[in-house]
Amino acid sequence: NAGVTQTPKFQVLKTGQSMTLQCAQDMNHEYMSWYRQDPGMGLRLIHYSVGAGITDQGEVPNGYNVSRSTTEDFPLRLLSAAPSQTSVYFCASSLESYPGNTIYFGEGSWLTVV
Amino acid sequence: AQSVTQLDSQVPVFEEAPVELRCNYSSSVSVYLFWYVQYPNQGLQLLLKYLSGSTLVESINGFEAEFNKSQTSFHLRKPSVLISDTAEYFCAVTKGGSNYKLTFGKGTLLTVNP
Repeated sequence: NAGVTQTPKFQVLKTGQSMTLQCAQDMNHEYMSWYRQDPGMGLRLIHYSVGAGITDQGEVPNGYNVSRSTTEDFPLRLLSAAPSQTSVYFCASSLESYPGNTIYFGEGSWLTVV
Repeated sequence: AQSVTQLDSQVPVFEEAPVELRCNYSSSVSVYLFWYVQYPNQGLQLLLKYLSGSTLVESINGFEAEFNKSQTSFHLRKPSVLISDTAEYFCAVTKGGSNYKLTFGKGTLLTVNP
């Protein structure tokens, strides 16, 4: 059972480049989310999905796109990277939306935009 | 809208001393509260959660938190810390039925010195 897998773990991008952060879970979880973590800011919700084909914006969605074509995968796309997107990105998933349900976090993806 | 305030960004303590990490929340509806821990260069792990019932919740490694509705607080305490407790601690809140949309505080870095 791999849990939540994020790739790549580390990435350096040049301003204006595009890339996709991958997130996959093998637990058949309906609910998936992307957060970014910045020093002194905690984690902030970027986008989330409540099932295949359904996504919505979180607190800081600008500059990011997501899709959910399968239950397992929830990729996060940076269309034109900016230095302000330098951050650590975490993907999370859960089976149900009830707060008592366990949320599984990936190990994070460290992104630097130069 | 809900928000979470962690009153201390850094808390240095000596080994075996007691510690309290403070968390206040604001919300117009009933909320569910969490404490997460992040060890260096790792993802987030759930430490404990308050859903309902007893206002005092405990973790397996000696931490406890008390939900205080009148003061809108959920402070985390440990009577005697270990060096291995050095980590960043995040308080988080969500409304019912939406554990995929957590609102995090900015984090408190607990440093335990010998």
